[in-house]
Amino acid sequence: NAGVTQTPKFRILKIGQSMTLQCAQDMNHNYMYWYRQDPGMGLKLIYYSVGAGITDKGEVPNGYNVSRSTTEDFPLRLELAAPSQTSVYFCASSYDRGQGTEAFFGQGTRLTVV
Amino acid sequence: AQKVTQAQTEISVVEKEDVTLDCVYETRDTTYYLFWYKQPPSGELVFLIRRNSFDEQNEISGRYSWNFQKSTSSFNFTITASQVVDSAVYFCALRGGGATNKLIFGTGTLLAVQP
Repeated sequence: NAGVTQTPKFRILKIGQSMTLQCAQDMNHNYMYWYRQDPGMGLKLIYYSVGAGITDKGEVPNGYNVSRSTTEDFPLRLELAAPSQTSVYFCASSYDRGQGTEAFFGQGTRLTVV
Repeated sequence: AQKVTQAQTEISVVEKEDVTLDCVYETRDTTYYLFWYKQPPSGELVFLIRRNSFDEQNEISGRYSWNFQKSTSSFNFTITASQVVDSAVYFCALRGGGATNKLIFGTGTLLAVQP
């Protein structure tokens, strides 16, 4: 059982480049989330999804896009990367109710924009 | 709107001291879920405990205990007889149970346990 898998683990982008951060979970969770964590700071919600085909903005969505075509995958797209997007990105998933509402997190993607 | 406040930015204790990490939340939902996570220096996020809004029982797990009080909208976390391995950032989080289903985190409390 792999849990939540994020790829890549590290990436350096030049200003203006684009990239997609991949996130996959094998727990059949319906909820999935993307967060960013700046150095010494807390986690800020970028986007989240309550099921395939449904996405919604979080606290800091500008500069990002997401899609959720399957239950398992929730990629995060950065268009026109900017230095302000230098951060560690975490993907997470959970059930919506019952005993499994805690979110399970991936290992994170450390992104540097130069 | 949902909000989680962890007013303590950093706490430093000496090993074997008890320490309480505070968490205050705001939500309009009648059903909601509260969580504590630990982030050690290695960076991963480790789930510690979940509480739903209908379960106000306090919980003890080894040296860890949690006090959930709906009357004061607080979900505090106490470590008894702290150890150096407890040094980490601790996050409190809130998820609504209805239309507000965002999982929102507090800003975290950095706990440093000195030997």
